[in-house]
This record gives sequence, C-alpha cells and structure tokens, in this order.
Amino acid sequence: DQQVKQNSPSLSVQEGRISILNCDYTNSMFDYFLWYKKYPAEGPTFLISISSIKDKNEDGRFTVFLNKSAKHLSLHIVPSQPGDSAVYFCAASAWYDMRFGAGTRLTVKP
Amino acid sequence: NAGVTQTPKFQVLKTGQSMTLQCAQDMNHNSMYWYRQDPGMGLRLIYYSASEGTTDKGEVPNGYNVSRLNKREFSLRLESAAPSQTSVYFCASSEQGAGLNTEAFFGQGTRLTVV
Repeated sequence: DQQVKQNSPSLSVQEGRISILNCDYTNSMFDYFLWYKKYPAEGPTFLISISSIKDKNEDGRFTVFLNKSAKHLSLHIVPSQPGDSAVYFCAASAWYDMRFGAGTRLTVKP
Repeated sequence: NAGVTQTPKFQVLKTGQSMTLQCAQDMNHNSMYWYRQDPGMGLRLIYYSASEGTTDKGEVPNGYNVSRLNKREFSLRLESAAPSQTSVYFCASSEQGAGLNTEAFFGQGTRLTVV
C-alpha cells in the first residue's frame, strides 16, 4: 500500500511564477515530512522539511505547508527558476521508517 | 567531503548470481538506509540500521540481506538475484532516525540490471 501519494506525475510552469507541488499521506503516525529534489543520475538531495507540530516552514524561495487534518502537504516555490527543473519527492517519516511518494517532475520554462 | 559513497555505480547480473552493494558515509552518522527506486513507485525502504550493530527490515526486505560492518559502512547483499530486483539502489545516512527531525543524505545510486 502506498502511504504517501503524489498524484501529479508532472508539472510545467513559467519562469517567475509559482510552482505548487502536492502530496497526500494516509498514516497518522507520520510526524516529520520532507521534500527532496532529484536530478537525473544523482541521488535525492534534501530541500526542506516540516515537523507535525507546525503548519508552515519557509526557507528562501521554498515553503512547505502541512494540513494534518487533511493529511496533505504542499511545496511552494516562488519565484520558480529554470534550475528548479527536477523530480521532487515528498517523504513522510515515523521514527526510522521514511516513506516516499512516486515523485513529480517539475519543468520550469524560461 | 564525500558524503555517502556507493559502489559500484552500475552492475549487470545474471539470474541466480549473488553480489554485494557497498555503502560508506563520512559524516559520522548513526543511521543508515537502503532504498530501491522503481519507475512510478518512488523510493522504497529495504532495510535500515538505526545504529551500529542493529539492522531492521523496511517495506520491501525479501530477497535482501544487510550488514552494518561498522559505523561508516552498510552493505546490501543479493544472495540469488532475480529480474524483479532490477532497480536503482540508493544508500542514505542520517544523524539519527528520519522521524526524529533530521534529514537523510543520499548516495548517487547503483543501477542494477538482472537478466
């Protein structure tokens, strides 16, 4: 069973606009949520995270929002840049068990 | 600072052959993980080691064994490779458990093909 779901396999936005990537989870035990970015032929790299006791975390152009009641989180990138083009994975963890979504491929067009 | 290093980067095996994927980290992290990535499936946890001397099964452990050789090294062994194990394998490490408010750092991956 897939406990973390990213329902949009791909997203295309114009440079300078906002990118919104979404993620849903089913397991109420998850208490820490992360976003990873992945380029081809490389390992995922950590982008931003949020604890279950918060509903928002910002780091520069990146903001993650958590809605625990809806079991939903989202990543906002503002403004989007061509270098942001990559696959973005949502992850949710409880203790040592970190589960990933299938990823969303973001393309930022100049 | 190399971070997490995996060897080999590519490998082709015949069905039934065995092999060991090596992983080493130089960040003095306590916890280490093995994931596999398949198209449309994201990354799935095979095994993890919370600390030196301990290992535990993850989401998809069947067909694999692991060894936490020391604090730096965590190896993944396929005893009898099957085509279903064709995948990209990622090793990762973190200071403590990912659910303990700490992120994991990943290696560059090993692309394994079983024919």
